[in-house]
Amino acid sequence: DTGVSQDPRHKITKRGQNVTFRCDPISEHNRLYWYRQTLGQGPEFLTYFQNEAQLEKSRLLSDRFSAERPKGSFSTLEIQRTEQGDSAMYLCASSFSMGELFFGEGSRLTVL
Amino acid sequence: AQKVTQAQTEISVVEKEDVTLDCVYETRDTTYYLFWYKQPPSGELVFLIRRNSFDEQNEISGRYSWNFQKSTSSFNFTITASQVVDSAVYFCALSEARNTDKLIFGTGTRLQVFP
Repeated sequence: DTGVSQDPRHKITKRGQNVTFRCDPISEHNRLYWYRQTLGQGPEFLTYFQNEAQLEKSRLLSDRFSAERPKGSFSTLEIQRTEQGDSAMYLCASSFSMGELFFGEGSRLTVL
Repeated sequence: AQKVTQAQTEISVVEKEDVTLDCVYETRDTTYYLFWYKQPPSGELVFLIRRNSFDEQNEISGRYSWNFQKSTSSFNFTITASQVVDSAVYFCALSEARNTDKLIFGTGTRLQVFP
């Protein structure tokens, strides 16, 4: 399968714990994006990388959130000291052409 | 501020009916891009179309067509002769020239096509 893959697909954690999500983009894509989607809403932009450089970060991303893309390949999104409001689907996407995003299946986070 | 409004929360049609999904956008920029994405029950968003603000020509791709009208800030999507496989949530999105890689999505329209 050569699409965008995300891991884990589902994570259940207790409030206050740290979680990390991984995204493997399509190999020839230099752009990588993280979005968050809650029930009944459209995806909300979180952050974006071009190669290994993080070029944009939403105000939605508090200090508890950090994303990396070492060597411009896979990316990780870490949430520290999780809160119940962090429960959502975290979507990763990659692209080669502006706006034409290829999304993964998402990582669903449930914070108890 | 940029904003995308999809006023139709849910639409139900019977197979073979035509259906139009509405999208209204707000932006101060003169250069911007509009998109439609499909999210089937499996969950993975799929890109359908990108349009720039200087190209108001309507586009047709098979049973899909898009009507872009700058005068009403709308970018509507029509499915002709709908099929059960068209059942999905459809999202309209906008990005501005100063940050083309940041897509702002609407809240989506859930389309249910019944046999």
